[in-house]
Amino acid sequence: NAGVMQNPRHLVRRRGQEARLRCSPMKGHSHVYWYRQLPEEGLKFMVYLQKENIIDESGMPKERFSAEFPKEGPSILRIQQVVRGDSAAYFCASSPRDYSYEQYFGPGTRLTVT
Amino acid sequence: DQQVKQNSPSLSVQEGRISILNCDYTNSMFDYFLWYKKYPAEGPTFLISISSIKDKNEDGRFTVFLNKSAKHLSLHIVPSQPGDSAVYFCAASAGGSGGSNYKLTFGKGTLLTVNP
Repeated sequence: NAGVMQNPRHLVRRRGQEARLRCSPMKGHSHVYWYRQLPEEGLKFMVYLQKENIIDESGMPKERFSAEFPKEGPSILRIQQVVRGDSAAYFCASSPRDYSYEQYFGPGTRLTVT
Repeated sequence: DQQVKQNSPSLSVQEGRISILNCDYTNSMFDYFLWYKKYPAEGPTFLISISSIKDKNEDGRFTVFLNKSAKHLSLHIVPSQPGDSAVYFCAASAGGSGGSNYKLTFGKGTLLTVNP
Protein backbone atom coordinates (compact mmCIF):
# COMPACT_ATOMS: atom_id res chain seq x y z
CA ASN A 1 0.00 0.00 0.00
CA ALA A 2 1.69 3.17 -1.19
CA GLY A 3 -0.74 5.51 0.56
CA VAL A 4 -0.26 7.71 3.61
CA MET A 5 -0.09 5.57 6.73
CA GLN A 6 -1.20 6.65 10.16
CA ASN A 7 -1.00 4.78 13.42
CA PRO A 8 -2.56 4.04 15.66
CA ARG A 9 -5.98 4.28 14.07
CA HIS A 10 -7.61 4.59 17.46
CA LEU A 11 -6.01 5.89 20.63
CA VAL A 12 -7.56 6.17 24.06
CA ARG A 13 -5.84 8.27 26.69
CA ARG A 14 -6.80 9.40 30.17
CA ARG A 15 -6.66 13.08 31.00
CA GLY A 16 -3.11 14.14 31.74
CA GLN A 17 -1.44 11.44 29.66
CA GLU A 18 0.57 11.97 26.49
CA ALA A 19 -0.63 11.07 23.01
CA ARG A 20 1.75 10.31 20.13
CA LEU A 21 0.34 10.09 16.64
CA ARG A 22 2.47 8.84 13.76
CA CYS A 23 2.32 9.53 10.06
CA SER A 24 4.31 7.95 7.26
CA PRO A 25 3.96 9.93 4.04
CA MET A 26 3.58 8.44 0.62
CA LYS A 27 6.79 7.23 -0.95
CA GLY A 28 8.67 10.13 -2.48
CA HIS A 29 6.74 12.77 -0.53
CA SER A 30 8.76 14.99 1.77
CA HIS A 31 6.01 17.40 2.81
CA VAL A 32 3.63 16.59 5.63
CA TYR A 33 0.56 18.42 6.92
CA TRP A 34 -1.51 17.71 10.03
CA TYR A 35 -5.19 18.57 10.33
CA ARG A 36 -7.63 18.14 13.19
CA GLN A 37 -11.33 17.43 12.87
CA LEU A 38 -13.37 18.12 15.97
CA PRO A 39 -16.84 16.55 16.22
CA GLU A 40 -19.32 18.12 13.80
CA GLU A 41 -16.60 20.32 12.28
CA GLY A 42 -14.49 20.44 9.14
CA LEU A 43 -10.80 19.66 9.07
CA LYS A 44 -8.61 22.45 10.41
CA PHE A 45 -4.99 22.99 9.44
CA MET A 46 -2.51 22.56 12.25
CA VAL A 47 1.04 22.39 10.93
CA TYR A 48 3.16 22.00 7.79
CA LEU A 49 6.49 20.19 8.03
CA GLN A 50 9.31 19.32 5.74
CA LYS A 51 12.09 16.95 6.71
CA GLU A 52 13.68 18.37 9.89
CA ASN A 53 11.85 21.68 9.47
CA ILE A 54 8.64 23.18 10.76
CA ILE A 55 7.41 25.45 7.97
CA ASP A 56 4.14 26.72 9.39
CA GLU A 57 2.69 25.88 12.80
CA SER A 58 0.15 28.68 12.85
CA GLY A 59 -2.74 26.26 13.44
CA MET A 60 -1.19 24.50 16.41
CA PRO A 61 -2.48 25.28 19.90
CA LYS A 62 0.18 27.28 21.72
CA GLU A 63 0.65 24.80 24.53
CA ARG A 64 0.93 21.03 24.85
CA PHE A 65 1.08 20.36 21.09
CA SER A 66 4.26 19.75 19.11
CA ALA A 67 5.15 18.16 15.80
CA GLU A 68 8.27 16.89 14.15
CA PHE A 69 9.32 15.23 10.91
CA PRO A 70 12.80 13.79 11.41
CA LYS A 71 15.27 12.92 8.72
CA GLU A 72 14.46 9.26 9.22
CA GLY A 73 11.14 7.83 10.30
CA PRO A 74 7.57 9.05 10.46
CA SER A 75 6.23 12.44 11.37
CA ILE A 76 5.02 12.62 14.97
CA LEU A 77 2.28 14.78 16.43
CA ARG A 78 2.63 14.87 20.19
CA ILE A 79 -0.01 16.08 22.61
CA GLN A 80 1.10 16.38 26.22
CA GLN A 81 -1.25 16.31 29.20
CA VAL A 82 -4.30 15.61 27.07
CA VAL A 83 -7.69 17.08 27.99
CA ARG A 84 -11.17 16.03 26.91
CA GLY A 85 -11.26 18.81 24.32
CA ASP A 86 -8.39 17.12 22.46
CA SER A 87 -10.72 14.28 21.49
CA ALA A 88 -10.88 14.46 17.71
CA ALA A 89 -9.79 12.83 14.48
CA TYR A 90 -6.28 13.81 13.46
CA PHE A 91 -5.45 13.53 9.79
CA CYS A 92 -2.06 13.63 8.19
CA ALA A 93 -1.54 14.50 4.53
CA SER A 94 1.54 14.40 2.37
CA SER A 95 2.55 16.10 -0.83
CA PRO A 96 5.28 15.64 -3.43
CA ARG A 97 5.63 19.40 -3.84
CA ASP A 98 6.31 22.20 -1.44
CA TYR A 99 3.63 24.70 -0.42
CA SER A 100 1.06 22.72 -2.38
CA TYR A 101 -2.68 22.15 -2.15
CA GLU A 102 -2.06 18.78 -3.79
CA GLN A 103 -2.37 16.76 -0.61
CA TYR A 104 -3.04 13.07 -0.08
CA PHE A 105 -4.67 12.19 3.20
CA GLY A 106 -4.17 9.26 5.51
CA PRO A 107 -7.04 7.42 7.23
CA GLY A 108 -6.67 9.44 10.42
CA THR A 109 -6.17 8.68 14.10
CA ARG A 110 -9.20 8.97 16.31
CA LEU A 111 -8.12 10.16 19.74
CA THR A 112 -10.47 9.72 22.65
CA VAL A 113 -9.63 11.29 26.00
CA THR A 114 -11.46 9.81 28.95
CA ASP B 1 -15.48 32.36 12.06
CA GLN B 2 -16.28 29.86 9.33
CA GLN B 3 -14.75 30.90 6.05
CA VAL B 4 -16.06 27.91 4.10
CA LYS B 5 -19.67 26.93 4.67
CA GLN B 6 -21.62 23.91 3.59
CA ASN B 7 -25.09 24.67 4.82
CA SER B 8 -26.68 21.33 4.01
CA PRO B 9 -25.53 18.65 6.45
CA SER B 10 -27.15 15.96 4.34
CA LEU B 11 -28.62 15.27 0.92
CA SER B 12 -30.51 12.26 -0.36
CA VAL B 13 -31.03 11.51 -4.07
CA GLN B 14 -32.19 8.62 -6.21
CA GLU B 15 -29.75 6.62 -8.25
CA GLY B 16 -29.42 8.02 -11.77
CA ARG B 17 -30.50 11.54 -10.79
CA ILE B 18 -28.32 14.59 -10.32
CA SER B 19 -26.70 15.41 -6.98
CA ILE B 20 -25.88 19.06 -6.32
CA LEU B 21 -23.72 19.93 -3.35
CA ASN B 22 -23.24 23.57 -2.45
CA CYS B 23 -20.49 25.54 -0.79
CA ASP B 24 -20.15 29.23 0.11
CA TYR B 25 -17.03 31.10 1.16
CA THR B 26 -16.35 34.47 2.71
CA ASN B 27 -12.62 35.01 2.20
CA SER B 28 -12.01 36.85 -1.08
CA MET B 29 -8.35 35.77 -0.96
CA PHE B 30 -9.33 32.18 -1.74
CA ASP B 31 -8.30 31.39 -5.28
CA TYR B 32 -8.32 27.62 -5.48
CA PHE B 33 -11.13 25.30 -4.50
CA LEU B 34 -11.23 21.56 -4.03
CA TRP B 35 -13.81 18.89 -3.34
CA TYR B 36 -12.95 15.84 -1.29
CA LYS B 37 -14.95 12.69 -0.74
CA LYS B 38 -14.72 10.80 2.53
CA TYR B 39 -15.94 7.33 3.40
CA PRO B 40 -16.29 6.28 7.04
CA ALA B 41 -12.99 5.32 8.70
CA GLU B 42 -11.00 6.63 5.74
CA GLY B 43 -9.24 9.89 5.00
CA PRO B 44 -10.55 12.47 2.54
CA THR B 45 -9.88 11.62 -1.10
CA PHE B 46 -9.39 14.35 -3.67
CA LEU B 47 -12.21 14.49 -6.20
CA ILE B 48 -12.00 17.60 -8.34
CA SER B 49 -10.73 21.17 -8.13
CA ILE B 50 -11.11 24.55 -9.78
CA SER B 51 -9.00 27.66 -10.02
CA SER B 52 -10.59 31.05 -9.54
CA ILE B 53 -9.73 31.98 -13.12
CA LYS B 54 -12.27 29.42 -14.33
CA ASP B 55 -15.98 29.07 -13.76
CA LYS B 56 -16.34 25.39 -14.58
CA ASN B 57 -14.29 22.22 -14.44
CA GLU B 58 -15.48 18.82 -15.52
CA ASP B 59 -14.16 15.33 -14.88
CA GLY B 60 -16.38 12.48 -15.97
CA ARG B 61 -19.55 12.49 -13.91
CA PHE B 62 -18.29 15.33 -11.71
CA THR B 63 -18.52 19.02 -12.55
CA VAL B 64 -17.63 21.91 -10.30
CA PHE B 65 -19.05 25.38 -10.94
CA LEU B 66 -17.62 28.55 -9.44
CA ASN B 67 -19.46 31.87 -9.12
CA LYS B 68 -16.87 34.30 -7.82
CA SER B 69 -19.18 37.26 -7.52
CA ALA B 70 -21.48 35.23 -5.27
CA LYS B 71 -18.59 33.46 -3.54
CA HIS B 72 -20.33 30.21 -4.24
CA LEU B 73 -19.36 26.90 -5.74
CA SER B 74 -21.26 23.71 -6.40
CA LEU B 75 -20.44 20.13 -7.23
CA HIS B 76 -22.70 18.30 -9.66
CA ILE B 77 -22.67 14.53 -9.89
CA VAL B 78 -24.51 13.09 -12.89
CA PRO B 79 -25.71 10.38 -12.86
CA SER B 80 -25.50 9.64 -9.15
CA GLN B 81 -24.58 6.11 -8.13
CA PRO B 82 -24.95 4.30 -4.77
CA GLY B 83 -21.14 4.18 -4.51
CA ASP B 84 -21.13 7.98 -4.41
CA SER B 85 -22.68 7.84 -0.94
CA ALA B 86 -20.11 9.56 1.29
CA VAL B 87 -19.36 12.83 3.04
CA TYR B 88 -18.27 15.55 0.63
CA PHE B 89 -16.02 18.34 1.83
CA CYS B 90 -15.48 21.63 0.11
CA ALA B 91 -12.03 23.15 0.71
CA ALA B 92 -10.31 26.37 -0.30
CA SER B 93 -6.82 27.78 -0.35
CA ALA B 94 -5.43 31.28 -0.65
CA GLY B 95 -2.39 31.08 -2.92
CA GLY B 96 -1.11 33.92 -4.97
CA SER B 97 1.73 36.22 -4.02
CA GLY B 98 2.66 35.52 -0.42
CA GLY B 99 -0.30 33.23 -0.01
CA SER B 100 -0.54 29.85 1.64
CA ASN B 101 -1.48 27.33 -1.03
CA TYR B 102 -1.02 24.46 1.35
CA LYS B 103 -3.28 25.72 4.12
CA LEU B 104 -6.62 24.20 3.15
CA THR B 105 -9.75 25.52 4.84
CA PHE B 106 -12.54 22.96 4.93
CA GLY B 107 -16.28 23.17 5.28
CA LYS B 108 -18.13 20.88 7.69
CA GLY B 109 -19.15 18.49 4.95
CA THR B 110 -22.38 17.22 3.40
CA LEU B 111 -23.44 13.61 3.76
CA LEU B 112 -24.71 12.41 0.39
CA THR B 113 -26.87 9.31 0.28
CA VAL B 114 -27.71 7.85 -3.11
CA ASN B 115 -30.63 5.44 -2.91
CA PRO B 116 -30.84 2.51 -5.34
